[in-house]
Amino acid sequence: SQQGEEDPQALSIQEGENATMNCSYKTSINNLQWYRQNSGRGLVHLILIRSNEREKHSGRLRVTLDTSKKSSSLLITASRAADTASYFCATDPRPGRRALTFGSGTRLQVQP
Amino acid sequence: DGGITQSPKYLFRKEGQNVTLSCEQNLNHDAMYWYRQDPGQGLRLIYYSQIVNDFQKGDIAEGYSVSREKKESFPLTVTSAQKNPTAFYLCASSSPEWGEGDTGELFFGEGSRLTVL
Repeated sequence: SQQGEEDPQALSIQEGENATMNCSYKTSINNLQWYRQNSGRGLVHLILIRSNEREKHSGRLRVTLDTSKKSSSLLITASRAADTASYFCATDPRPGRRALTFGSGTRLQVQP
Repeated sequence: DGGITQSPKYLFRKEGQNVTLSCEQNLNHDAMYWYRQDPGQGLRLIYYSQIVNDFQKGDIAEGYSVSREKKESFPLTVTSAQKNPTAFYLCASSSPEWGEGDTGELFFGEGSRLTVL
């Protein structure tokens, strides 16, 4: 079952603009993680936010988590062409089967 | 360098054949995972292993088999029973903090693309 669902499915912006991606999930979680995937490559971990945290920053990334709404958002500020990739949220459910469940992803295109 | 190595990168199979995808890690991680990704889609969990000599089925285990005889290795066999095996297969590992109930950050290999002819 797909625990996380991202919105939008695809996003196209200009360099320098901010990109916001949203993720909704269905069950209680220990943490929520965001990953990036360049076309045809493996996924790379970006950031992890725990269920008792509301906001986290890492460089140009800002993640929020609202456990009452079972949703998270990923904001990439001042986007660059190199940010073009697919972005996935993944949930670590509680009580869990001890494996992450991934959403369907947002494809981000940053135009130079 | 520490990491996860998947091989082969590309694999072609005739219908009715079994194929085995290799996944090796030198990160000293206890947990390893296999995911399947279809074009334009997210990842679906096939099998996972929390420790050597133990593994559990994920959401789409039918037609697949795994073994975990060594900590470093978690090979996936795609059997002829898998009706639609053409996909991108991703292996990952993590160092869980089970005391916190935390699967941890996943480290992924570069994937193996299987095509059935």
